[in-house]
Amino acid sequence: ILNVEQSPQSLHVQEGDSTNFTCSFPSSNFYALHWYRWETAKSPEALFVMTLNGDEKKKGRISATLNTKEGYSYLYIKGSQPEDSATYLCAFNSGYSTLTFGKGTMLLVSP
Amino acid sequence: DTAVSQTPKYLVTQMGNDKSIKCEQNLGHDTMYWYKQDSKKFLKIMFSYNNKELIINETVPNRFSPKSPDKAHLNLHINSLELGDSAVYFCASSQAGVSGNTIYFGEGSWLTVV
Repeated sequence: ILNVEQSPQSLHVQEGDSTNFTCSFPSSNFYALHWYRWETAKSPEALFVMTLNGDEKKKGRISATLNTKEGYSYLYIKGSQPEDSATYLCAFNSGYSTLTFGKGTMLLVSP
Repeated sequence: DTAVSQTPKYLVTQMGNDKSIKCEQNLGHDTMYWYKQDSKKFLKIMFSYNNKELIINETVPNRFSPKSPDKAHLNLHINSLELGDSAVYFCASSQAGVSGNTIYFGEGSWLTVV
């Protein structure tokens, strides 16, 4: 059974704060690590697909890093805005056609 | 244009009924999936179809059956619905499997069995 853990479970920050979340995954049989942003009643939206150890990806104010040897990825949001409020999911792919998802980190950004 | 669309979005039905959830993708992808958000809020794979062949079938009850009339559609049929089937079901698609490829999700179908 693959275990993908995300922390914290939820986070409440003020507008303008920078924040980060952690995703832990098995360090063996790694193929890819996916990050998704999910607003309730909407489709989970892909943010990043990361495949190489040391990968760093950026999309606007959001960035992510990947350490496959120790089995973790960080997602950073710089200068959080209320529209960043969502659940952020990471998902681990071990090379088979399936993703194992974490429970997500629920972010609330207050104005 | 919605890339992955699924209908209905909300479905309330009685135990014992048979129901279907439809899914269509207009991205030209060759792999489609059904995921279920379980009671602990995890998204878990149910089925995966590639070129009309089932390539993953997780340990779901055989009351659940995916049907793919063509590459752009993967419908989920559920027979003899039970209370425990109440969940959110997500359709998704990707090009050539998820390994390193982005997976695109529908908005989910909220199924409530009463």
